[in-house]
Amino acid sequence: RKEVEQDPGPFNVPEGATVAFNCTYSNSASQSFFWYRQDCRKEPKLLMSVYSSGNEDGRFTAQLNRASQYISLLIRDSKLSDSATYLCVVSLGWKGNMLTFGGGTRLMVKP
Amino acid sequence: DAGVIQSPRHEVTEMGQEVTLRCKPISGHDYLFWYRQTMMRGLELLIYFNNNVPIDDSGMPEDRFSAKMPNASFSTLKIQPSEPRDSAVYFCASSSDRGVSSYNEQFFGPGTRLTVL
Repeated sequence: RKEVEQDPGPFNVPEGATVAFNCTYSNSASQSFFWYRQDCRKEPKLLMSVYSSGNEDGRFTAQLNRASQYISLLIRDSKLSDSATYLCVVSLGWKGNMLTFGGGTRLMVKP
Repeated sequence: DAGVIQSPRHEVTEMGQEVTLRCKPISGHDYLFWYRQTMMRGLELLIYFNNNVPIDDSGMPEDRFSAKMPNASFSTLKIQPSEPRDSAVYFCASSSDRGVSSYNEQFFGPGTRLTVL
């Protein structure tokens, strides 16, 4: 079983749609959680960190459920530019040094 | 500001040859990370350094891989001898310690795409 599991997709959605991704992690001792975005043939970039209380950044909302060990990302009003692979990432420590990446979920937003 | 710099961007070599990948972290960052990304295994942490000292190398696949950080502005990842299964994109990342109450955001370089024939 992988430490961080994601549906690889692809998720094909029209512009303006709302789309949600989930991921599950196996190590209950994980302390910090993130979503990274990776464009095709580019490096990963931090999208947002994820807190138990939930956090929002513009059109993006992330949630953490520690009891169920899953993390979600909601994208509202999808844009063409949101097309990318979204990586769910966990770390055992608060500092986020030893990151464990999920395999990624590919999103394709169509006009 | 310059981001993380990696060289070469692409490397094609033959099985058995030595490969050296290079990384220059963001100035002032005190953590440096080496990752490998493949279709089969995704993105995996190989090793990371803090203040030029290797802290965890549990992700290094085998003795053929070695990494060094001789100073704060330079690190190498060496594969000797290389094998076709080492073909992957190798990313270097760096971060700065933001104190006890905050995580350290990692900034990734553009990667080196390695092909071993």
